[in-house]
Amino acid sequence: AQKITQTQPGMFVQEKEAVTLDCTYDTSDPSYGLFWYKQPSSGEMIFLIYQGSYDQQNATEGRYSLNFQKARKSANLVISASQLGDSAMYFCAMREGRETSGSRLTFGEGTQLTVNP
Amino acid sequence: NAGVMQNPRHLVRRRGQEARLRCSPMKGHSHVYWYRQLPEEGLKFMVYLQKENIIDESGMPKERFSAEFPKEGPSILRIQQVVRGDSAAYFCASSPRRAQGSGNEQFFGPGTRLTVL
Repeated sequence: AQKITQTQPGMFVQEKEAVTLDCTYDTSDPSYGLFWYKQPSSGEMIFLIYQGSYDQQNATEGRYSLNFQKARKSANLVISASQLGDSAMYFCAMREGRETSGSRLTFGEGTQLTVNP
Repeated sequence: NAGVMQNPRHLVRRRGQEARLRCSPMKGHSHVYWYRQLPEEGLKFMVYLQKENIIDESGMPKERFSAEFPKEGPSILRIQQVVRGDSAAYFCASSPRRAQGSGNEQFFGPGTRLTVL
């Protein structure tokens, strides 16, 4: 079974509008972390936002927010006021276990976001 | 404060040659992770190392691939007798001994793009 599922291979949004990128996960570990990374065409991996499994509130970082629904095992990324520079591939990832134990990330297949002017 | 460094950024090899990819973690980081990204796919975990120790190599192909992180110097991912299917982007990430729980636990390098002719 896939541990991280991103069902949207591609998404389009108009500049200045909001967009939601979907991510569902599968784990039996009570301690885990969920991450979103942005990969522009230049190829580097840019960390965007993080949600811990025990965090009570949804994470926010500027225009990025994470809609964390633990019972549904979903961690959707919301980008508000889209900009042309947001056009990139977006990856959802999960770390199982506590952050102090050191653990690998499992990535989804990604969603290619295109922001139209 | 230099980030994670990888070199070379681009590497071209002919089938049957050896490829050596180097990763220098951030200062003070003692954990290194290697990931492979095939074209149009997400990152896949390969190996997790601490200084002089391989902690988890469950993602490494059984043959031709090896990794090390010596006491001094960078981590090396070595691919012997490369084949066309090895063409991919190889990312290194590093993390401190104890992550801070902020989510920015794995700092990614810019990647090495390996092309096998």
